[in-house]
Amino acid sequence: EIVLTQSPATLSLSPGERATLSCRASQNINNFLAWFQQKPGQAPRLLISDASNRATGIPARFSGSGSGTDFTLTISSLQPEDFAVYYCQQRSSWPQLTFGGGTKVEIK
Amino acid sequence: QVQLVQSGAEVKKPGASVKVSCKTSGYTFRNYGIRWVRQAPGQGFEWMGWISPYNGNTKFAQKFQDRVTMTTDTSTSTAYMELRSLTSDDTAVYYCAREQVALDYWGQGTLVTVSS
Repeated sequence: EIVLTQSPATLSLSPGERATLSCRASQNINNFLAWFQQKPGQAPRLLISDASNRATGIPARFSGSGSGTDFTLTISSLQPEDFAVYYCQQRSSWPQLTFGGGTKVEIK
Repeated sequence: QVQLVQSGAEVKKPGASVKVSCKTSGYTFRNYGIRWVRQAPGQGFEWMGWISPYNGNTKFAQKFQDRVTMTTDTSTSTAYMELRSLTSDDTAVYYCAREQVALDYWGQGTLVTVSS
C-alpha cells in the first residue's frame, strides 16, 4: 500500500500569510496526487488534481507542485475561509486510493 | 449544477446491515464512476470501493470485499452501498463521490452509528 505522510500536522498562521503544506509518498506516484480541503461537518472539496491542476472554481491563491514522491500545496495569502484541514490523496495504485493523515491550518 | 445527495443518518445494531443511497444530478450518470469512502470520527479517509454506472463493474478494498455490495440504478441516477455484519468499528461518515480523474464532487455524507 502506498502511504502518504503529510507535514506538519498543524500549521498556525495569521490571515495574509503564506501556507506551505507537504505530502510525501512512500513510493513514486508520478503526478497522480490530489489535494482536498475539509471544514468541520462538511464533505471534502477538491482543490488540486494531478499535482498541479486547480479544480473548477478554486481561487488562484491555491497552487500545487511536485512529482514522484514529494508534493506541496501552497496557499499564497491565507484568507479567513482557508482555515481548515487539508488532505492529499493518490490514485497511482488505482483502484486503490490512499489519503494522507491531514494538515490542520489554524489561526495563530 | 452537479449534485450528489445522500440518504440520512442511520443507527444500527451490531450484526445488522445498512444501505446508503447517493442520488446524483446535473451530469450524465453513466459517464463517471462512483467511489465510496468513509471517515471514522476524528480519523482520516478509507476507500471502500468503486462502481461504474456504465456497466456495473465494481472494485472493492480487500477489507470490505466479503460484506459490501455496490449497485447503481441508471433510471434514477442513484448509487447504493450496502454494508453487512456491522460492528462498532463501522461507525463513520460514509461518502459517495463522483470520479473520473479525481473525486471532484462529493455527497454531503451519511453518518452511520453502530451501537447496541
